[in-house]
Amino acid sequence: GENVEQHPSTLSVQEGDSAVIKCTYSDSASNYFPWYKQELGKRPQLIIDIRSNVGEKKDQRIAVTLNKTAKHFSLHITETQPEDSAVYFCAASPNNNDMRFGAGTRLTVKP
Amino acid sequence: DTGVSQDPRHKITKRGQNVTFRCDPISEHNRLYWYRQTLGQGPEFLTYFQNEAQLEKSRLLSDRFSAERPKGSFSTLEIQRTEQGDSAMYLCASSLGGTRGQPQHFGDGTRLSIL
Repeated sequence: GENVEQHPSTLSVQEGDSAVIKCTYSDSASNYFPWYKQELGKRPQLIIDIRSNVGEKKDQRIAVTLNKTAKHFSLHITETQPEDSAVYFCAASPNNNDMRFGAGTRLTVKP
Repeated sequence: DTGVSQDPRHKITKRGQNVTFRCDPISEHNRLYWYRQTLGQGPEFLTYFQNEAQLEKSRLLSDRFSAERPKGSFSTLEIQRTEQGDSAMYLCASSLGGTRGQPQHFGDGTRLSIL
């Protein structure tokens, strides 16, 4: 089955700096890669996703890149703000079946 | 609110008791997923339904766990003879069906604490 690894586990940046979180996956059948943001005590919220037929996707300050050959994908947050502080999870899903999540990255943005 | 709703939000019970959680998905979503999340970890897949059919179960889902979605709408997750290790957040998510990956939308979860 699919195995998703995520790093770093914690990331601290200064407000205004960029943050990058990286994930690798094992199942070449995976074709859908969402990213979720989870604030303390709240539900995971989808922030961006990418499909395997696309190499990059951007939504304002957030971008995701996918390298199918190397089986890795990354989340990039530019101009970070304190409200970006949360735990971020990557995930991979083959054919809209079960989704496997990474262990999460705790991002802290210092004002 | 047309999002995924879960009930109860919190459940405290003694070891050995049975518990049941409910999930109401987004109405037009025919797929429903159950996950378990422990502190500091990502959600772990337990099982999912397409309409009323349970299509996949994780090996994490021991025989003490059973999930149903009898009419293809809401779902229940029952844990029998609860153990300390069952303490976790149980998350439900729903999505559209099809073979292409679809965004899964999560509920607020049910936090289970075993005394």
